[in-house]
Amino acid sequence: AQTVTQSQPEMSVQEAETVTLSCTYDTSENNYYLFWYKQPPSRQMILVIRQEAYKQQNATENRFSVNFQKAAKSFSLKISDSQLGDTAMYFCAFSTTGTYKYIFGTGTRLKVLA
Amino acid sequence: DAGVTQSPTHLIKTRGQQVTLRCSPKSGHDTVSWYQQALGQGPQFIFQYYEEEERQRGNFPDRFSGHQFPNYSSELNVNALLLGDSALYLCASSEDRGRTYTEAFFGQGTRLTVV
Repeated sequence: AQTVTQSQPEMSVQEAETVTLSCTYDTSENNYYLFWYKQPPSRQMILVIRQEAYKQQNATENRFSVNFQKAAKSFSLKISDSQLGDTAMYFCAFSTTGTYKYIFGTGTRLKVLA
Repeated sequence: DAGVTQSPTHLIKTRGQQVTLRCSPKSGHDTVSWYQQALGQGPQFIFQYYEEEERQRGNFPDRFSGHQFPNYSSELNVNALLLGDSALYLCASSEDRGRTYTEAFFGQGTRLTVV
């Protein structure tokens, strides 16, 4: 069975600074995706960034980037130039290719301070 | 495109009652998954519907059942409600293209409170 672990329940960062959220996972699958989702108070899950397991290159989306270490089963999210609007719950998630089923971690509550 | 819509947004039920939650997927999406998100936790996969059949199921009791209609919309039914069923119920839709990735979209959820 797959598991996703987020060991940082809460984090805070000053506006314009950089913060890194950690995630580890466990799987015996070879073909899978990893994701970071943002859940603001509006409750809707918003995709932040996605990483295909077969790609060695780390994914980047504007201010968001990941550090994907496949052998260590680690998948961290780096947010650069943090903005007040980044304040939200962040969930790391895993999905086996072709299943469209997501396994989520317990989340990290991020607060960006003015 | 309205995206994924769920109804109702909030619901209060009494222990032992039954509840039905509804989800309309994003236009063009044929796969609907349901998740339960307890307070302070990550979403837990309940089940997934595709072509009107339950295709995958998570570790939830038979009190949780569902349905998918020909227009791809879906219902989640919970019987004999327990206090522990209080949670945010999220619906996610996607377009099944086999092993080709397609983005899943989530609704804003239904907040169920069992008293």
